[in-house]
Amino acid sequence: DQQVKQNSPSLSVQEGRISILNCDYTNSMFDYFLWYKKYPAEGPTFLISISSIKDKNEDGRFTVFLNKSAKHLSLHIVPSQPGDSAVYFCAASPISNFGNEKLTFGTGTRLTIIP
Amino acid sequence: DTGVSQDPRHKITKRGQNVTFRCDPISEHNRLYWYRQTLGQGPEFLTYFQNEAQLEKSRLLSDRFSAERPKGSFSTLEIQRTEQGDSAMYLCASSLGTSGILGANVLTFGAGSRLTVL
Repeated sequence: DQQVKQNSPSLSVQEGRISILNCDYTNSMFDYFLWYKKYPAEGPTFLISISSIKDKNEDGRFTVFLNKSAKHLSLHIVPSQPGDSAVYFCAASPISNFGNEKLTFGTGTRLTIIP
Repeated sequence: DTGVSQDPRHKITKRGQNVTFRCDPISEHNRLYWYRQTLGQGPEFLTYFQNEAQLEKSRLLSDRFSAERPKGSFSTLEIQRTEQGDSAMYLCASSLGTSGILGANVLTFGAGSRLTVL
């Protein structure tokens, strides 16, 4: 049961253009959503997060949009740079009062920025 | 503090052997997680510690797997009688955790320990 889905295994974008990565989820209990970036031979690195009470969060070139009714979120990267080439994972967690929320990850999208 | 450290980075073993992985989390983090990642998949949750207490285990963690965090600092993940299906990247992560009102529980991952079972 894949609760977090990234339906595009790969995406190629020209340098300077916008990259849009998509993620869908099925569990209505998810309240926080995170994006991680992974380079080869490294662990995933946190990029940006959004709470379910918001519909947008922006950090520099990275913006995450959340459509809670559609259970869909997207990560926009603009302008795209060669260093953005990596695998991007969408992750989600519920809120609890214990602070031990484990993350459920999607299968990832490999982004390639073409110079 | 250089982040989350994992050792060894790569382990090749024969089927039936035991292997142990070590994780040193960020020192001020009281929560420690083990995940497994196989080819083409995202990280899958295995188990979680708060300080030295193991609070949750995934059904993916069969009885051949055992994890400890004896003093609430470093953790070990042991796999007994390894099988070829155990071949994967084993990722350790740590976090400060948070209550729901303070924001997302951001996990900081190590580089992983890759296991190859022949």
